[in-house]
Amino acid sequence: DAKTTQPNSMESNEEEPVHLPCNHSTISGTDYIHWYRQLPSQGPEYVIHGLTSNVNNRMASLAIAEDRKSSTLILHRATLRDAAVYYCILRDRKGAQKLVFGQGTRLTINP
Amino acid sequence: NAGVTQTPKFQVLKTGQSMTLQCAQDMNHEYMSWYRQDPGMGLRLIHYSVGAGITDQGEVPNGYNVSRSTTEDFPLRLLLAAPSQTSVYFCASRRTGAINEKLFFGSGTQLSVL
Repeated sequence: DAKTTQPNSMESNEEEPVHLPCNHSTISGTDYIHWYRQLPSQGPEYVIHGLTSNVNNRMASLAIAEDRKSSTLILHRATLRDAAVYYCILRDRKGAQKLVFGQGTRLTINP
Repeated sequence: NAGVTQTPKFQVLKTGQSMTLQCAQDMNHEYMSWYRQDPGMGLRLIHYSVGAGITDQGEVPNGYNVSRSTTEDFPLRLLLAAPSQTSVYFCASRRTGAINEKLFFGSGTQLSVL
């Protein structure tokens, strides 16, 4: 299965944009890129996903590189409630039933 | 809407004891799965099911049994608990109609095996 690489931790200030990077250099042509986040003491929750084009929803934006070997989750205006561990995951069509989580990026938001 | 409900929230076991972690969902999802999360780590898939009567192994299935007799329930059984199974366990479910159906997670069960 193709793997992802994320920084262990990042820090940002409240009301500023946050760009969370993810590298997936071995991504295959049919792998979707998913992002989940896990707030403290909670189960993960879905954030966004994409294949080739940039995607936006009410929570975040996903920018995907043209070669698809990297992507960036963008929180446009971080709040304290966005402090969480963010997971970048590839959804493998062959093993489509499995969603494999890495260690993610722990995002700290400073007031 | 209840979503995915896990019980109990906390459990302490002695080595060698057995127990069942319960997971129920009210969204009529075909797919259900169990993950464990060790301190400072990501989630690892234990077992999953794509429908009643169908289960399969994930990354770390040893020491755990599952069955799926109804769409709503997917219990996880520890037959002989070991300290290495101390972890937080999450159940998740989703529809299976499209590859990108999002996973819904429960709030977790914190298990300590002494």
